[in-house]
Amino acid sequence: KQEVTQIPAALSVPEGENLVLNCSFTDSAIYNLQWFRQDPGKGLTSLLLIQSSQREQTSGRLNASLDKSSGRSTLYIAASQPGDSATYLCAVSRGAAGNKLTFGGGTRVLVKP
Amino acid sequence: GAGVSQSPSNKVTEKGKDVELRCDPISGHTALYWYRQSLGQGLEFLIYFQGNSAPDKSGLPSDRFSAERTGGSVSTLTIQRTQQEDSAVYLCASSWTSRYEQYFGPGTRLTVT
Repeated sequence: KQEVTQIPAALSVPEGENLVLNCSFTDSAIYNLQWFRQDPGKGLTSLLLIQSSQREQTSGRLNASLDKSSGRSTLYIAASQPGDSATYLCAVSRGAAGNKLTFGGGTRVLVKP
Repeated sequence: GAGVSQSPSNKVTEKGKDVELRCDPISGHTALYWYRQSLGQGLEFLIYFQGNSAPDKSGLPSDRFSAERTGGSVSTLTIQRTQQEDSAVYLCASSWTSRYEQYFGPGTRLTVT
């Protein structure tokens, strides 16, 4: 059974500092990995999707890497801003069975002005 | 364009009552997913629809839960004889096909009193 872990559960940084969020998964047979952002009381906003054949994806200040063999992904957010404060979730899919996602517990981020 | 929409946004019901939650996916998306987010269990998969294929119900927690998708578009999740442990946020997601990025709705917060 796939298990996804995100450490730390919470993170507080001063504005301008780079953020590094970690995600690990136990079964390397994934189809893709997706990073989401969730604001309090809201749904999930997709940030980046990395296919299993890729090693990284970039969008603006966000960069996500994937090391499938070691079961790890890292989300980097450059030059953090107070608006980046949210919970960040990673999720993996197996692909063969409809791409249903298995989620980590999330990292709650606070960027202090 | 319009994103995934869900209704109602909030639902309070008495234990033992039936509830129906609705999801309108993004137009043209053939894959539709239901997930549940609760404090104790995190975010977990419930059910998945792909086109006209039989749904994957492997995540439904009990036979009190059922879902249907009419005309390959709108989906309804029904919970019969609600229990307090059903209290959670129910999230719907859709994607172009099962192999693409999933887009989430804002969720329905269900409270069973």
